[in-house]
Amino acid sequence: EVQLVESGGGLVQPGGSLRLSCAASGFTFSNYWMSWVRQAPGKGLEWVANIKQDGSEKYNVDSVKGRFTISRDNAKKSLYLQMNSLRAEDTAVYYCARDKDQLDHWGQGTLVTVSS
Amino acid sequence: DIQMTQSPSTLSASVGDRVTITCRASQSISTWLAWYQQKPGKAPKLLIYKASSLESGVPSRFSGSGSGTEFTLTISSLQPDDFATYYCQQYNIYWTFGQGTKVEIK
Repeated sequence: EVQLVESGGGLVQPGGSLRLSCAASGFTFSNYWMSWVRQAPGKGLEWVANIKQDGSEKYNVDSVKGRFTISRDNAKKSLYLQMNSLRAEDTAVYYCARDKDQLDHWGQGTLVTVSS
Repeated sequence: DIQMTQSPSTLSASVGDRVTITCRASQSISTWLAWYQQKPGKAPKLLIYKASSLESGVPSRFSGSGSGTEFTLTISSLQPDDFATYYCQQYNIYWTFGQGTKVEIK
C-alpha cells in the first residue's frame, strides 16, 4: 500500500524558516517524480513544486521562487521542502503527492502557520 | 501561466441526480487534465486522469470528457458519499488547479 506521511509543520514567525519532510513507503520511491501541493485555510489547492526521480530537474510556482527549495533523498525514501523567508500568505496545509503528471497518491498533510 | 476556471462554484443536488461540472483552460492543454475529489479535513483523491481515464478503484458513475480548453466531469447518479468539493488540474505546462466546485445537498 502506498503511504506518504508529512511532518515538520508548525507555527513560525514571518521571515522564519521551516523544513517539511515526507516519508514514502509501499512503492519504489526513486522511480517517481514527487510534488508538494498546499491549501490555505478554506481555500483551493495550489501546486508548489515538483522534482524529478534523480533530483536533476525541479520546478516551482512563481510565488515561492527564491524562497522554497524542493529536494529528495532516494536512499531514505524521503521528500523535503525547505521554506525560507516565510510570509503570512504561506499559511496552509502542505501535502506531498506522488507525481505521474496526475497526482495519484497524497499524504494527509502538515499544517504550516506563519504568524507573529 | 495557464488558468483553470471551474463552473459552477457551488452546486446543489439530490441523491440520484446527474451532475456535471465544467472546467475551462485559458489555452489548449490537449487532454492533460485530471479531476480530484476532496472531503473536509482530508487529502484530495484522484478520480480521472488524461481527461477521461478512470483511476483504478473509482466508481464507474464518474466520467470525464473534453479536450483542448473545455472539459467536464459527470457523476451519472449522485450518491451520498459524493457530496464533496471537486477540483480540475492541468498538467500541460507546470500544474494548475481550478478553484473548486462544492457539491452540496439540495
